[in-house]
Amino acid sequence: DTEVTQTPKHLVMGMTNKKSLKCEQHMGHRAMYWYKQKAKKPPELMFVYSYEKLSINESVPSRFSPECPNSSLLNLHLHALQPEDSALYLCASSQGPGGDSTNEKLFFGSGTQLSVL
Amino acid sequence: AQKITQTQPGMFVQEKEAVTLDCTYDTSDPSYGLFWYKQPSSGEMIFLIYQGSYDQQNATEGRYSLNFQKARKSANLVISASQLGDSAMYFCAMREPISSGSARQLTFGSGTQLTVLP
Repeated sequence: DTEVTQTPKHLVMGMTNKKSLKCEQHMGHRAMYWYKQKAKKPPELMFVYSYEKLSINESVPSRFSPECPNSSLLNLHLHALQPEDSALYLCASSQGPGGDSTNEKLFFGSGTQLSVL
Repeated sequence: AQKITQTQPGMFVQEKEAVTLDCTYDTSDPSYGLFWYKQPSSGEMIFLIYQGSYDQQNATEGRYSLNFQKARKSANLVISASQLGDSAMYFCAMREPISSGSARQLTFGSGTQLTVLP
């Protein structure tokens, strides 16, 4: 099983709503990532969890709140978003830190297309 | 800071022909990894091929090969015998090893939109 599953695939929310994006992997990976991608642009890193602890927060606004309940799950809680937050949100996983190997590839989910009205 | 450059915003290729997608990078670290990902319109990022900075031979994976020129800091993707299903956005990405206790991350280039013509 080499899948990263993201739900929902599409989400429309108002600026006052609270919603959550979910990501799940069963590959035994210990690192999980959230990326934000605008149309025709490369993915931009938001958060990295390593062994269920937040290891990178790329100065993301507090209206985005990540959570890693266990090694297989990663959530992104959304609150009071702005229209400019509309984007494709990609989750990814990798085997995890340990050593300094550079060949650790990321496995991506198919993303959640988010529209903020 | 590392940097990845893809200078071709869009490319067209005839079906069954070969195509080369350019990627140059900049890093001061001798140890790094280079990746190519494909992103079809469905949104999923699909891993294609990997090249390590110390690898002596160019990487190959089926119809994909990587033309790695270390001195020029380029890692071009070659797709042979293009198929209609190859139409997608292609991203070059680089990973550097852990430094200063920071977790590793992948830095992406701006991407090349490839269109395969029938």
